[in-house]
Amino acid sequence: DAMVIQNPRYQVTQFGKPVTLSCSQTLNHNVMYWYQQKSSQAPKLLFHYYDKDFNNEADTPDNFQSRRPNTSFCFLDIRSPGLGDAAMYLCATSRDLGYQETQYFGPGTRLLVL
Amino acid sequence: GDSVTQMEGPVTLSEEAFLTINCTYTATGYPSLFWYVQYPGEGLQLLLKATKADDKGSNKGFEATYRKETTSFHLEKGSVQVSDSAVYFCALSSNTNAGKSTFGDGTTLTVKP
Repeated sequence: DAMVIQNPRYQVTQFGKPVTLSCSQTLNHNVMYWYQQKSSQAPKLLFHYYDKDFNNEADTPDNFQSRRPNTSFCFLDIRSPGLGDAAMYLCATSRDLGYQETQYFGPGTRLLVL
Repeated sequence: GDSVTQMEGPVTLSEEAFLTINCTYTATGYPSLFWYVQYPGEGLQLLLKATKADDKGSNKGFEATYRKETTSFHLEKGSVQVSDSAVYFCALSSNTNAGKSTFGDGTTLTVKP
């Protein structure tokens, strides 16, 4: 089945130690998104890629970076995690950026910062 | 800007009860409206959607009608099951916001046997 895969499902890191979360998709979608979700709140969009074009949300901290080396993979890098960055990180894809497009979400990576 | 307001939870129902979760929105342009469901420990998945006024989305016994006059997209199900226990998110995607989605805060539903 075509899907969005996130690894690992749980990640523990230390305060200030860089961490990378990964996402892959077999849907061959053009758009990949990263969201931060805290305590079943609304997912907060951090950034998205349309193909190789990176689009950062205005309020995303500089501590968060992303890479998309090819269509299938996208990475979220947190350069110096703080306690406030503990959250669920969701990767999603969509075929295109149109307003009628459905987003397909991965299962998420839960990040714990010690 | 765009916004979505959902009925506050949590909502607790007995099995076979009728469910309504209210959702209203504010949007510029012509939004599409979505309901996503998040089961415990999982990511969000699309439950249903409607892309223009008066459209009705339906899936797995859930329904929602896009009401432009009341700017609403309320989720309903006639008879809930224990397996419907989850968090439900209303969302919109507007043609004036590059197709990016705005989510409500989510409503937690617990169905008891």
